[in-house]
Amino acid sequence: ETGVTQTPRHLVMGMTNKKSLKCEQHLGHNAMYWYKQSAKKPLELMFVYNFKEQTENNSVPSRFSPECPNSSHLFLHLHTLQPEDSALYLCASSQRQGAGANVLTFGAGSRLTVL
Amino acid sequence: KNQVEQSPQSLIILEGKNCTLQCNYTVSPFSNLRWYKQDTGRGPVSLTIMTFSENTKSNGRYTATLDADTKQSSLHITASQLSDSASYICVSFFSGNTPLVFGKGTRLSVIA
Repeated sequence: ETGVTQTPRHLVMGMTNKKSLKCEQHLGHNAMYWYKQSAKKPLELMFVYNFKEQTENNSVPSRFSPECPNSSHLFLHLHTLQPEDSALYLCASSQRQGAGANVLTFGAGSRLTVL
Repeated sequence: KNQVEQSPQSLIILEGKNCTLQCNYTVSPFSNLRWYKQDTGRGPVSLTIMTFSENTKSNGRYTATLDADTKQSSLHITASQLSDSASYICVSFFSGNTPLVFGKGTRLSVIA
């Protein structure tokens, strides 16, 4: 247990479904991140929230919608996804964005399969 | 362009043997470099961090080196165990708003 909890661990959805991924951190961190991990590719940063404010959107399609209601919780809302969106989605947190961001703590990830 | 290149892409070794994983980075301005271990079905976990002024750092059977002149880092695993089977990801941090540059990882398999 790293202090960053992701649910669900596995998700299978059709292209017309709407689902959400949840991330919760118990570390008192102020920055939270969504990363996408596909086979044989580096981790791709999707979104960054610093003190509940979105500070990075790395050209992510609008079918991915993040939400950060407070510094401890982060959601990724999914709708009308494509099969190529199938991947491991990793949530991470750090003390804050920027100088403190090198100390990332990752969750176990949510394995998403889009049919 | 800021990049991190890792080699080999995959590696199979016998239990008890040593191995070395390589990481080359073209990140500027460079701040530090971290090695992560990612078990199958889990998130990455930090093994060690190397700053600009550090050449060698050990964490149990793991020893990381950094050569800031050639922009290379290595992770040496001594007396490998089956539990070392995982992906090892090199991550470079530089001064910037989104500072992390990830490598693709090296997939290590330790067999009996």
